Amino acid sequence: RKEVEQDPGPFNVPEGATVAFNCTYSNSASQSFFWYRQDCRKEPKLLMSVYSSGNEDGRFTAQLNRASQYISLLIRDSKLSDSATYLCVVNYVGDYKLSFGAGTTVTVRA
Amino acid sequence: NAGVTQTPKFRVLKTGQSMTLLCAQDMNHEYMYWYRQDPGMGLRLIHYSVGEGTTAKGEVPDGYNVSRLKKQNFLLGLESAAPSQTSVYFCASNPGISNEQYFGPGTRLTVT
Repeated sequence: RKEVEQDPGPFNVPEGATVAFNCTYSNSASQSFFWYRQDCRKEPKLLMSVYSSGNEDGRFTAQLNRASQYISLLIRDSKLSDSATYLCVVNYVGDYKLSFGAGTTVTVRA
Repeated sequence: NAGVTQTPKFRVLKTGQSMTLLCAQDMNHEYMYWYRQDPGMGLRLIHYSVGEGTTAKGEVPDGYNVSRLKKQNFLLGLESAAPSQTSVYFCASNPGISNEQYFGPGTRLTVT
């Protein structure tokens, strides 16, 4: 079983729509959670950290559910520029490494 | 600041050839990482370093070696390239594990 699992999608949504997707992690000894964004043939970049109480950054909302071991990302009022692959990333207590999911692809159409 | 840079950006090797990928960061970060990314598989950690002079194996270390002689540089070596090593290689660094990880632009390697 992979440490971090994501629905690969693709999620095809019209501009202005709301899209949400989850990521599950297998190790309960986790301490840090992130969403990264990766554009086609580019390097990943941090979109936002995910905090226990949930957090927003503009049109993006991230939630953490420790009991069920998943995190979620919701994008409101989708823009064409939101088209990308979103990587779920988890760090475990005492570990120097990050575990990456394979990514969820979102395509926003005009 | 240039951030994280990688050299070269593209390379084609023949099976059995060797090469070294260079990663450099100017942010004084302690931690540095080498990943490979293949379609549908996400990022897989090859080797990493938690400080100058240290290295450790990641998830897929076989066929690769690394060195971190200077804090700002992390080298990835392929001793005898194989077609299975065709991939996009990303270097990354961060000041601490709970902090944002900064990635280089990637090296696209093809082994024929």
